[in-house]
Amino acid sequence: NAGVMQNPRHLVRRRGQEARLRCSPMKGHSHVYWYRQLPEEGLKFMVYLQKENIIDESGMPKERFSAEFPKEGPSILRIQQVVRGDSAAYFCASSPGTGSFGYTFGSGTRLTVV
Amino acid sequence: KQEVTQIPAALSVPEGENLVLNCSFTDSAIYNLQWFRQDPGKGLTSLLLIQSSQREQTSGRLNASLDKSSGRSTLYIAASQPGDSATYLCAVSLSADRGSTLGRLYFGRGTQLTVWP
Repeated sequence: NAGVMQNPRHLVRRRGQEARLRCSPMKGHSHVYWYRQLPEEGLKFMVYLQKENIIDESGMPKERFSAEFPKEGPSILRIQQVVRGDSAAYFCASSPGTGSFGYTFGSGTRLTVV
Repeated sequence: KQEVTQIPAALSVPEGENLVLNCSFTDSAIYNLQWFRQDPGKGLTSLLLIQSSQREQTSGRLNASLDKSSGRSTLYIAASQPGDSATYLCAVSLSADRGSTLGRLYFGRGTQLTVWP
């Protein structure tokens, strides 16, 4: 039973390009969360999704960022027209439900914008 | 807004010492609290999860306590080993009556622990 799978592990993009980060939750987990860890800062919540639904996107920047969790396939975090400030580690977590369940995190995608 | 603070920011100890990491949070209406370990360049590994109704949880050499009313949690590591070297993160989720999604975690910045032989 693989854990939360994120790919790619490392992603380099030039300014203005698009970045697509993928997250496959643990088997049996239907809740996915994305967090961002900027250099020298703590992890910040971005978005919480269930299959085909965005539950809470209050942590997402209003522009250029979007997320989806389709009925089939992984969750995708998409960043359009990347800028240097988007360079960070992006972590995905999954859980079987909310509240009393713990979270399992993936190893992250480290995005570098050059 | 929930603020989570961890003290100390860094800690360096010789092998074998017992140590305590501290976590405080500003809003005591939490749903649960979770301690994670993060190794350099890696993801987060869950160590212990404490529900708001619980006072402590234990796993091996780790013991975490929770005092919800005072907004504090401690992670106790017994007989530390070099393999314990990592950054330890504390995270809380708020209860639903705070208008926050139960799934959302608020993280501290972590305590960077170094255990030397």
